[in-house]
Amino acid sequence: KQEVTQIPAALSVPEGENLVLNCSFTDSAIYNLQWFRQDPGKGLTSLLLIQSSQREQTSGRLNASLDKSSGRSTLYIAASQPGDSATYLCAVRDRDDKIIFGKGTRLHILP
Amino acid sequence: DGGITQSPKYLFRKEGQNVTLSCEQNLNHDAMYWYRQDPGQGLRLIYYSQIVNDFQKGDIAEGYSVSREKKESFPLTVTSAQKNPTAFYLCASTLIGRNYGYTFGSGTRLTVV
Repeated sequence: KQEVTQIPAALSVPEGENLVLNCSFTDSAIYNLQWFRQDPGKGLTSLLLIQSSQREQTSGRLNASLDKSSGRSTLYIAASQPGDSATYLCAVRDRDDKIIFGKGTRLHILP
Repeated sequence: DGGITQSPKYLFRKEGQNVTLSCEQNLNHDAMYWYRQDPGQGLRLIYYSQIVNDFQKGDIAEGYSVSREKKESFPLTVTSAQKNPTAFYLCASTLIGRNYGYTFGSGTRLTVV
């Protein structure tokens, strides 16, 4: 059964720092991996989608990498801002066409 | 703009009452999903549907029911059999096929009073 783990569960960093969020999954037979952002009491906003054949995707200050063979993905946030404070969720789309989520990393950017 | 609309945003349920959460999408997506989110537990799949008039149970289907009479709509009913329904409910949709990501609605917060 596919399991997705995100480390750390919570992270506080000063504004302006670069940071990395980690995601690991147990079964490499995935179609794609998606990073989401969730603000308190809100739905999920898709940040980046990486296909299983890709190594990375970039959008603005965000860069997500995928190493399918080792079951790992990272989300790199450059020059963090207080507006980046949110919970970040990693999810994989498995071969049964289901999406399996990690429990998320709560990020707090200190002004 | 295309997207997923969940309503209502907040819902209060009395003990023993059934309530229905609405989810509508205009993305022409094939598959729709319902998730429950509780603090510290992440998202758990309740039901999903990949085609009209067909749906499958997820990991925590007990106490819930769904219908998929139209491609655009996937309502979730929380029945009185669901003993702990207070949670944040999220609806999602996607196209069938390995290359597509998921789109989520803004959620419904259900509280038992």
